[in-house]
Amino acid sequence: NAGVTQTPKFQVLKTGQSMTLQCAQDMNHNSMYWYRQDPGMGLRLIYYSASEGTTDKGEVPNGYNVSRLNKREFSLRLESAAPSQTSVYFCASSSDRGPWEQYFGPGTRLTVT
Amino acid sequence: AQSVTQLGSHVSVSEGALVLLRCNYSSSVPPYLFWYVQYPNQGLQLLLKYTSAATLVKGINGFEAEFKKSETSFHLTKPSAHMSDAAEYFCAVTSGAGSYQLTFGKGTKLSVIP
Repeated sequence: NAGVTQTPKFQVLKTGQSMTLQCAQDMNHNSMYWYRQDPGMGLRLIYYSASEGTTDKGEVPNGYNVSRLNKREFSLRLESAAPSQTSVYFCASSSDRGPWEQYFGPGTRLTVT
Repeated sequence: AQSVTQLGSHVSVSEGALVLLRCNYSSSVPPYLFWYVQYPNQGLQLLLKYTSAATLVKGINGFEAEFKKSETSFHLTKPSAHMSDAAEYFCAVTSGAGSYQLTFGKGTKLSVIP
Protein backbone atom coordinates (compact mmCIF):
# COMPACT_ATOMS: atom_id res chain seq x y z
CA ASN A 1 0.00 0.00 0.00
CA ALA A 2 2.02 2.95 -1.32
CA GLY A 3 -0.47 5.71 -0.34
CA VAL A 4 0.10 8.80 -2.50
CA THR A 5 2.95 8.76 -4.98
CA GLN A 6 4.33 11.64 -7.03
CA THR A 7 6.72 11.85 -9.95
CA PRO A 8 9.21 13.33 -10.51
CA LYS A 9 10.88 14.13 -7.18
CA PHE A 10 12.96 16.95 -8.63
CA GLN A 11 12.75 18.98 -11.83
CA VAL A 12 14.55 21.97 -13.29
CA LEU A 13 12.87 23.85 -16.12
CA LYS A 14 13.76 26.86 -18.17
CA THR A 15 11.26 29.71 -18.43
CA GLY A 16 8.63 28.89 -21.02
CA GLN A 17 9.05 25.12 -20.90
CA SER A 18 6.12 22.88 -20.04
CA MET A 19 5.83 19.83 -17.85
CA THR A 20 3.32 17.58 -16.13
CA LEU A 21 3.51 16.48 -12.52
CA GLN A 22 1.99 13.08 -11.90
CA CYS A 23 0.13 11.90 -8.82
CA ALA A 24 -1.51 8.58 -7.99
CA GLN A 25 -3.21 7.18 -4.90
CA ASP A 26 -4.16 3.65 -4.02
CA MET A 27 -6.54 4.37 -1.11
CA ASN A 28 -9.71 4.47 -3.26
CA HIS A 29 -10.24 8.12 -2.34
CA ASN A 30 -12.64 10.25 -4.34
CA SER A 31 -11.04 13.62 -3.61
CA MET A 32 -7.59 14.72 -4.73
CA TYR A 33 -5.71 17.99 -4.38
CA TRP A 34 -2.67 19.89 -5.63
CA TYR A 35 -0.86 22.32 -3.33
CA ARG A 36 2.21 24.44 -3.59
CA GLN A 37 4.41 25.19 -0.60
CA ASP A 38 6.55 28.29 -0.40
CA PRO A 39 8.58 29.50 2.61
CA GLY A 40 6.41 31.41 5.08
CA MET A 41 3.26 30.88 3.00
CA GLY A 42 2.13 27.50 4.27
CA LEU A 43 0.26 25.35 1.77
CA ARG A 44 -1.84 26.96 -0.90
CA LEU A 45 -4.42 25.01 -2.86
CA ILE A 46 -3.96 25.13 -6.63
CA TYR A 47 -6.72 22.81 -7.87
CA TYR A 48 -8.80 20.02 -6.46
CA SER A 49 -11.00 17.25 -7.73
CA ALA A 50 -13.97 16.13 -5.68
CA SER A 51 -14.54 13.07 -7.83
CA GLU A 52 -13.52 11.47 -11.08
CA GLY A 53 -14.47 13.78 -13.93
CA THR A 54 -14.63 17.01 -11.91
CA THR A 55 -12.01 19.63 -11.15
CA ASP A 56 -12.20 23.04 -9.50
CA LYS A 57 -9.90 25.98 -8.94
CA GLY A 58 -8.35 26.62 -5.60
CA GLU A 59 -6.63 29.67 -4.21
CA VAL A 60 -3.80 29.99 -6.76
CA PRO A 61 -4.81 28.34 -10.09
CA ASN A 62 -3.26 30.80 -12.56
CA GLY A 63 -0.62 29.22 -14.78
CA TYR A 64 -1.73 25.65 -14.05
CA ASN A 65 -4.07 23.07 -15.52
CA VAL A 66 -5.14 19.73 -14.12
CA SER A 67 -6.55 16.45 -15.36
CA ARG A 68 -8.33 13.83 -13.30
CA LEU A 69 -7.40 10.89 -15.48
CA ASN A 70 -9.30 8.31 -13.44
CA LYS A 71 -10.09 7.73 -9.80
CA ARG A 72 -6.44 7.01 -8.96
CA GLU A 73 -4.60 9.68 -10.92
CA PHE A 74 -4.57 13.47 -10.85
CA SER A 75 -1.98 15.38 -12.89
CA LEU A 76 -0.85 19.01 -12.76
CA ARG A 77 0.44 20.73 -15.90
CA LEU A 78 2.50 23.86 -16.27
CA GLU A 79 2.04 25.02 -19.86
CA SER A 80 4.66 27.79 -19.84
CA ALA A 81 6.74 27.73 -16.69
CA ALA A 82 7.69 30.98 -14.98
CA PRO A 83 10.24 31.62 -12.20
CA SER A 84 7.32 32.44 -9.86
CA GLN A 85 6.30 28.78 -10.12
CA THR A 86 9.50 27.66 -8.41
CA SER A 87 8.10 25.80 -5.43
CA VAL A 88 7.50 22.44 -3.82
CA TYR A 89 4.33 20.80 -5.09
CA PHE A 90 2.32 18.34 -3.06
CA CYS A 91 -0.50 16.08 -4.10
CA ALA A 92 -2.99 14.84 -1.50
CA SER A 93 -6.10 12.71 -1.35
CA SER A 94 -9.00 12.24 1.03
CA SER A 95 -12.14 10.23 1.47
CA ASP A 96 -15.42 11.97 0.67
CA ARG A 97 -16.71 11.10 4.14
CA GLY A 98 -15.79 13.07 7.25
CA PRO A 99 -13.51 13.99 8.86
CA TRP A 100 -11.74 14.35 5.50
CA GLU A 101 -8.16 14.12 6.66
CA GLN A 102 -5.81 14.42 3.73
CA TYR A 103 -2.92 12.12 2.93
CA PHE A 104 0.06 13.65 1.22
CA GLY A 105 2.63 12.51 -1.28
CA PRO A 106 6.36 13.14 -0.86
CA GLY A 107 6.37 16.24 -3.08
CA THR A 108 8.06 17.49 -6.25
CA ARG A 109 10.70 20.17 -5.92
CA LEU A 110 10.50 22.36 -9.04
CA THR A 111 12.97 25.06 -10.00
CA VAL A 112 12.29 27.36 -12.95
CA THR A 113 15.28 29.34 -14.19
CA ALA B 1 -14.12 31.63 4.96
CA GLN B 2 -12.13 29.74 7.53
CA SER B 3 -8.79 31.00 8.76
CA VAL B 4 -6.11 29.40 10.89
CA THR B 5 -3.52 31.32 12.88
CA GLN B 6 -0.40 29.67 14.22
CA LEU B 7 1.36 31.90 16.72
CA GLY B 8 5.10 31.88 16.19
CA SER B 9 6.69 30.86 12.92
CA HIS B 10 9.68 29.51 14.88
CA VAL B 11 9.72 27.91 18.33
CA SER B 12 12.83 26.65 20.10
CA VAL B 13 12.78 24.36 23.11
CA SER B 14 15.43 22.47 25.01
CA GLU B 15 15.50 18.70 24.83
CA GLY B 16 13.25 17.37 27.60
CA ALA B 17 11.24 20.58 27.88
CA LEU B 18 7.54 21.05 27.22
CA VAL B 19 6.50 21.64 23.62
CA LEU B 20 3.58 24.01 23.08
CA LEU B 21 2.55 25.01 19.56
CA ARG B 22 -0.43 27.32 19.30
CA CYS B 23 -3.28 27.22 16.82
CA ASN B 24 -6.41 29.36 16.70
CA TYR B 25 -9.13 29.06 14.11
CA SER B 26 -12.16 31.00 13.01
CA SER B 27 -15.29 28.99 12.60
CA SER B 28 -19.00 29.52 12.81
CA VAL B 29 -19.68 25.81 12.89
CA PRO B 30 -17.97 23.01 14.81
CA PRO B 31 -15.03 22.04 12.66
CA TYR B 32 -12.76 19.09 12.24
CA LEU B 33 -9.20 20.05 13.20
CA PHE B 34 -5.87 18.49 12.38
CA TRP B 35 -2.20 18.76 13.14
CA TYR B 36 0.32 17.67 10.54
CA VAL B 37 4.09 17.30 10.84
CA GLN B 38 6.59 17.79 8.04
CA TYR B 39 10.15 16.55 8.40
CA PRO B 40 12.79 18.09 6.14
CA ASN B 41 12.34 17.23 2.48
CA GLN B 42 9.27 15.10 3.15
CA GLY B 43 5.53 15.36 2.72
CA LEU B 44 3.04 16.14 5.46
CA GLN B 45 2.13 13.38 7.89
CA LEU B 46 -1.04 13.39 9.97
CA LEU B 47 -0.17 13.78 13.65
CA LEU B 48 -3.67 13.84 15.14
CA LYS B 49 -7.24 14.90 14.44
CA TYR B 50 -10.20 16.26 16.37
CA THR B 51 -13.57 14.91 15.32
CA SER B 52 -15.73 15.95 18.33
CA ALA B 53 -15.50 12.57 20.04
CA ALA B 54 -13.24 13.94 22.80
CA THR B 55 -11.75 17.35 23.45
CA LEU B 56 -8.32 15.94 24.33
CA VAL B 57 -6.87 14.14 21.36
CA LYS B 58 -3.82 11.91 21.47
CA GLY B 59 -1.64 11.48 18.43
CA ILE B 60 1.52 9.79 17.35
CA ASN B 61 4.96 10.31 18.89
CA GLY B 62 3.55 11.41 22.27
CA PHE B 63 1.80 14.54 20.99
CA GLU B 64 -1.65 15.60 22.08
CA ALA B 65 -3.96 18.55 21.46
CA GLU B 66 -6.91 20.00 23.30
CA PHE B 67 -9.93 21.47 21.57
CA LYS B 68 -11.28 24.53 23.40
CA LYS B 69 -14.40 25.82 21.72
CA SER B 70 -14.68 28.92 23.90
CA GLU B 71 -11.17 29.97 22.91
CA THR B 72 -11.39 28.63 19.31
CA SER B 73 -8.04 27.00 19.96
CA PHE B 74 -6.43 23.66 19.25
CA HIS B 75 -2.95 23.87 20.75
CA LEU B 76 -0.45 21.03 20.31
CA THR B 77 1.62 19.84 23.27
CA LYS B 78 4.21 17.25 24.17
CA PRO B 79 5.50 16.91 27.74
CA SER B 80 9.13 16.26 26.85
CA ALA B 81 10.78 17.29 23.59
CA HIS B 82 13.07 14.93 21.76
CA MET B 83 15.64 15.80 19.12
CA SER B 84 13.60 13.84 16.59
CA ASP B 85 10.67 16.25 17.08
CA ALA B 86 12.49 18.96 15.15
CA ALA B 87 10.22 19.59 12.17
CA GLU B 88 7.58 21.97 10.86
CA TYR B 89 4.06 21.63 12.22
CA PHE B 90 0.88 22.68 10.49
CA CYS B 91 -2.56 23.18 11.95
CA ALA B 92 -5.52 22.69 9.58
CA VAL B 93 -9.29 23.02 9.77
CA THR B 94 -12.11 21.91 7.53
CA SER B 95 -13.39 24.80 5.48
CA GLY B 96 -16.98 24.61 6.56
CA ALA B 97 -19.91 22.39 7.34
CA GLY B 98 -19.89 19.39 5.04
CA SER B 99 -16.75 20.59 3.33
CA TYR B 100 -13.85 18.31 2.56
CA GLN B 101 -11.35 21.09 1.89
CA LEU B 102 -8.78 22.03 4.50
CA THR B 103 -7.46 25.46 5.38
CA PHE B 104 -3.87 25.34 6.64
CA GLY B 105 -1.99 27.62 8.96
CA LYS B 106 1.37 28.96 7.81
CA GLY B 107 3.28 26.52 9.95
CA THR B 108 5.55 26.59 13.01
CA LYS B 109 9.10 25.36 12.75
CA LEU B 110 10.18 23.60 15.93
CA SER B 111 13.85 23.48 16.85
CA VAL B 112 15.05 21.28 19.70
CA ILE B 113 18.23 22.37 21.46
CA PRO B 114 20.38 19.61 22.96
